[in-house]
Amino acid sequence: QLQLQESGPVLVKPSETLSLTCTVSGGSISSSSYYWGWIRQPPGKGLEWIGSLYYSGSSYYNPSLKSRVTISVDTSKNQFSLRLSSVTAADTAVYYCAKLGAYCTSGVCNYNWFDPWGQGTLVTVSS
Amino acid sequence: QSALTQPASVSGSPGQSITISCTGTSSDVGSYNLVSWYQQHPGKAPKLMIYEVNKRPSGVSNRFSGSKSGNTASLTISGLQAEDEADYYCCSYAGSSTLLFGGGTKLTVL
Repeated sequence: QLQLQESGPVLVKPSETLSLTCTVSGGSISSSSYYWGWIRQPPGKGLEWIGSLYYSGSSYYNPSLKSRVTISVDTSKNQFSLRLSSVTAADTAVYYCAKLGAYCTSGVCNYNWFDPWGQGTLVTVSS
Repeated sequence: QSALTQPASVSGSPGQSITISCTGTSSDVGSYNLVSWYQQHPGKAPKLMIYEVNKRPSGVSNRFSGSKSGNTASLTISGLQAEDEADYYCCSYAGSSTLLFGGGTKLTVL
């Protein structure tokens, strides 16, 4: 049974870079059928897709965050990571990692649903 | 990209049915049968309830169903139970490997 767990600093100063890691257990992050993603949720607000990653390194980002986001993979550790630069208080949120599921037809797959999710980790941006 | 539009809140009595709408545009919901729905209880991670408009993952009650018409997707919960009280979010594929969430709907079981 696939499980995901987020880890990283819970407090980040404004203008610095937020860094989180998602450790995958119960399966290989290098599976050819898996995409991985990050989602965040500011306190009391809704969910926001941050970006998605294939184990080979192909990545896709939310256009509103694209200039500040990098998602990468470390297959040797079965982990993938999120880096968000130049953070402000608006980046305070619970950050979730998740596996994406796909709809595939004629050899083309659209990764579009999240399951399972990690438990989430609250990151606060404050001096 | 703007968030998909969901009602802020819906309510129903035990045993009743409720429907939550999720309205997007012809660039997202209207173009793809790739809408998913998530249930989130307070302090918990979201849980997948419906994917690809109307498919239920293993273990999800058949009281949950999904549909789509034009630019609007819907989640229907029949036989409402107290445990269904939670926040619900829709999510749609929006092309070019991007995804868009709705603002969320708080379901209250009266």
